[in-house]
Amino acid sequence: SQQGEEDPQALSIQEGENATMNCSYKTSINNLQWYRQNSGRGLVHLILIRSNEREKHSGRLRVTLDTSKKSSSLLITASRAADTASYFCAARKGYSTLTFGKGTMLLVSP
Amino acid sequence: EAGVAQSPRYKIIEKRQSVAFWCNPISGHATLYWYQQILGQGPKLLIQFQNNGVVDDSQLPKDRFSAERLKGVDSTLKIQPAKLEDSAVYLCASSRLRDGETQYFGPGTRLLVL
Repeated sequence: SQQGEEDPQALSIQEGENATMNCSYKTSINNLQWYRQNSGRGLVHLILIRSNEREKHSGRLRVTLDTSKKSSSLLITASRAADTASYFCAARKGYSTLTFGKGTMLLVSP
Repeated sequence: EAGVAQSPRYKIIEKRQSVAFWCNPISGHATLYWYQQILGQGPKLLIQFQNNGVVDDSQLPKDRFSAERLKGVDSTLKIQPAKLEDSAVYLCASSRLRDGETQYFGPGTRLLVL
């Protein structure tokens, strides 16, 4: 079953604007991770938030986690054209493997 | 450190043919994963190795897919015979331990089955 489900499926913004992507999952988790995938390339790990954390920052990235709602959000501030990519959330339960959602395609126009 | 290496980068075959993909993980990473990513979807785990042992192959179509990691380092994934629906990107990833929290991905092999 799909653990992570991203929303929206696609997002188009201008450079300098903020981009927010949401992720919902179904069961209890140990942590939730966000990955980025540029066209035609592998995934790159962006940030991990544990189940006992509510918010985490890394550079222009801010991730929140609400375990009561089984949801997470990824905020990219001051977006750049280079942020154009697909973004995936991945839920991890115990020592099990990651389960990825379908992703959000982000387009940042100059 | 060098990243996860995969080859070939692209492969075009006809249905019912066989194909093999190769992956060399980051040095020292005990866990290796093979994912299938169909266009427009997220990666789906096919098989996970811990050293040279299989940890999870529950989503591997075993009638046509096989994978091995004989010496606990590099790995091959084989499809025989290929079907049209096998057209996808095959991603290899590695992590330090079974419970390694960050997975490092290779560039993937893009397979087109005609």
